Parts: sequence; C-alpha cells; structure tokens
Amino acid sequence: GAGVSQSPRYKVTKRGQDVALRCDPISGHVSLYWYRQALGQGPEFLTYFNYEAQQDKSGLPNDRFSAERPEGSISTLTIQRTEQRDSAMYRCASSRGGAASSGNTIYFGEGSWLTVV
Amino acid sequence: DQQVKQNSPSLSVQEGRISILNCDYTNSMFDYFLWYKKYPAEGPTFLISISSIKDKNEDGRFTVFLNKSAKHLSLHIVPSQPGDSAVYFCAASTSETSYDKVIFGPGTSLSVIP
Repeated sequence: GAGVSQSPRYKVTKRGQDVALRCDPISGHVSLYWYRQALGQGPEFLTYFNYEAQQDKSGLPNDRFSAERPEGSISTLTIQRTEQRDSAMYRCASSRGGAASSGNTIYFGEGSWLTVV
Repeated sequence: DQQVKQNSPSLSVQEGRISILNCDYTNSMFDYFLWYKKYPAEGPTFLISISSIKDKNEDGRFTVFLNKSAKHLSLHIVPSQPGDSAVYFCAASTSETSYDKVIFGPGTSLSVIP
C-alpha cells in the first residue's frame, strides 16, 4: 500500500480481555517497528522485526505483550489480559532497512488508539 | 529516565518570524539525531536529521544545529508559516544498532499565528 496501515484505528476493550492490533507495512519494507505513545509523550520503542525475525523486543513492557510477523509482511501486536495502564496509541512503522544513520527513514502509521475500561 | 528531553511543551510564533525548538539528550552514545513532525490524526513524519560529525544541517526553511559538548540540538524554522503548526519530536539513535531503535522526546507543539 501507499502507507503504513493499522487496524483497528480505535479499540475499546474491557479490562482482562485480549486485544490484537494489526499492521500492514509499506510494500517492500523489510523493517517493522512497534511503538507506543502515551498522551503528551513521544513514541516509545516496543519491538523490531527484520523480515519475519523479531530481533529486538527489549521495549515490550511485560510478558502480556507479544508480537509476530510470520511471513515478513503483516504484523500483529497482541496484548493479553489487558489492564487500564495499557491504554495508549500503538504505532507501527516500517522502513527499507538499515539504521537511521545510513539515511534510512522510518514511516509511521496513523496508529491504533487502545482504551481499556 | 528520559534520554531525549524537550523542555518546552508548546511554543507560539508569529508568521514570518523564526521558530526555535530545543532538545537535550543525556546518552553520549547517540550519534544521529532526527526531527519528526506530526499533524493531528496522523503519524509522525521525518523532517530533517543530522549526524554527530556535523554541527549544522540545512534543508530549505529548516536548519538543525548540534552542540555535542552541551548535548543539545535545536531546530530553526525561518520564516515560520501557519502550515508549520504541528507537534515536533526530537529523536536520537546510535550506530551501535543496525536498525532504527530511535528514542523520541516528548514533543513540542508549535503554533504559528497568522
């Protein structure tokens, strides 16, 4: 697609439920990132995929959070047993690959707003 | 512990004047710095970057200055235009990683008044 596409755009869920957030990166982009952004804050790194390989998950807050990208394209971020503190904007981003310092640019999606009530 | 700080949550500037957005960082391993711009209901988009081997990078109306000894960078927009009204995120990364583990600041909301 033309840009990074995320769904759902808005999700309200009850505490304790599981949620799955989907990301469809820009076609051909090998790198995929998940970020979380709280109100009034900048995006916070969660995890990174190179093709289908999850190479860095150091930013995932705890083991209720997981992500996969089984075929190296679409990715799903899953939050199990949601808690109110999980409420935030979850942003996916993709890039051609490589580091920012090599001139690589990451492109962000519009995000998925998650509200846990 | 915020590694990238933007101490001004908001800034208002008259159209045609210069906008100066400031950013400080704490991690001396950062060697590449970026500015992202975000409009409401959109994702952040890349604006301009600078490597630590430089102290200035200019792109049209946008110039980023880097002071490594002070661990400080700034984004200058001149002349400011109403369309520049957005949230600006300062971000940093290290070449230690082969990918964009970019650390973002909290953002500064710029309003350019016509």
